[in-house]
Amino acid sequence: QKEVEQNSGPLSVPEGAIASLNCTYSDRVSQSFFWYRQYSGKSPELIMSIYSNGDKEDGRFTAQLNKASQYVSLLIRDSQPSDSATYLCAAYGNNRLAFGKGNQVVVIP
Amino acid sequence: NAGVTQTPKFQVLKTGQSMTLQCAQDMNHNSMYWYRQDPGMGLRLIYYSASEGTTDKGEVPNGYNVSRLNKREFSLRLESAAPSQTSVYFCASINREYEQYFGPGTRLTVT
Repeated sequence: QKEVEQNSGPLSVPEGAIASLNCTYSDRVSQSFFWYRQYSGKSPELIMSIYSNGDKEDGRFTAQLNKASQYVSLLIRDSQPSDSATYLCAAYGNNRLAFGKGNQVVVIP
Repeated sequence: NAGVTQTPKFQVLKTGQSMTLQCAQDMNHNSMYWYRQDPGMGLRLIYYSASEGTTDKGEVPNGYNVSRLNKREFSLRLESAAPSQTSVYFCASINREYEQYFGPGTRLTVT
């Protein structure tokens, strides 16, 4: 089993709708969890950190962590065309971050 | 604060040539990392340095060497470049909350 898995394919959402992204992780990485946004041709940019069970909100973004089920999710409310990007889930363990392969989000005006 | 800086931004090498990618951070972070990113493969860890004076292999270390020159600087060297090393290379550092910050990347083409 990979340490961090993002299995959903590209996600298309209408402008103003909610985009929902999910990620699962293994026991080997279970300390801290992160969501990164990567625009085409750019480096990953940290958008959310979550360390304990429950929800964490920051503007239009909400991260949810469920340690019992080993998943992390990201909700993007009121999606905007500027949210079109690849979103990477990451988890920290063994002195390093493990990344999922990412999910592409396309917001349709 | 400049954050994490990388040089060069772009590089074209011929097979067999060598080069060093430079990385520096001004956030006083202990740990630094080198990744490569290829289409469909995601980010893959090449080497990392948990603290000044230490380096460790990641997932894909073959063909690369690293030097942690001091707390700020962590360089990646390709001794004999191969076409399979054509990629985008990112340097990153991590803070005490395990939040990782990336440099702008180096786009390397090996012909």
